[in-house]
Amino acid sequence: ETGVTQSPTHLIKTRGQQVTLRCSSQSGHNTVSWYQQALGQGPQFIFQYYREEENGRGNFPPRFSGLQFPNYSSELNVNALELDDSALYLCASSYVPERTGELFFGEGSRLTVL
Amino acid sequence: AQSVAQPEDQVNVAEGNPLTVKCTYSVSGNPYLFWYVQYPNRGLQFLLKYITGDNLVKGSYGFEAEFNKSQTSFHLKKPSALVSDSALYFCAVRDSNSGYALNFGKGTSLLVTP
Repeated sequence: ETGVTQSPTHLIKTRGQQVTLRCSSQSGHNTVSWYQQALGQGPQFIFQYYREEENGRGNFPPRFSGLQFPNYSSELNVNALELDDSALYLCASSYVPERTGELFFGEGSRLTVL
Repeated sequence: AQSVAQPEDQVNVAEGNPLTVKCTYSVSGNPYLFWYVQYPNRGLQFLLKYITGDNLVKGSYGFEAEFNKSQTSFHLKKPSALVSDSALYFCAVRDSNSGYALNFGKGTSLLVTP
């Protein structure tokens, strides 16, 4: 186990709704990143937060937004849900934002959009 | 742009035999390469990474990977496969010239039969 915890583990929403996913990083880690893993695909980078600011973003629209809190926990918010947003959302933490460092992943939140 | 290719959707091997899971990459700068494993309905677990130095990298659970710069490859290997090694394996890369996103391949399903 990595010590990264995510909630909820599963949830079902309908198109147009909004969702908030939560992540607690591993102790001592100050950097959190979020990935989307569609069925049968590898994870895709959404964004990364360091010191409560976004410091990297993948090719995702603005309706995907996030927050990092002073205790380094994080939220991923998705507005105006679409069917294609159905996926496993993975949170990962690391000591600092560095290119050579490995990420420690949580178990994920599986979102189904109907 | 950075990218990773895992040419095999599935690899089948008998228990006790050596296994290889293939990965090739493309980056503009120096590659930082990673292997992760994912068990059903779980998050990703870090296995090993190559940053610089010795081309043969040893990781968790008896896995190792060989970095080959001329062939732009980073194949995952294990001398003797176990049934419990059956899982989904992802290769990932970061480029020394770009941001913090990990670019993942689409994954290779490893099935080890008794």
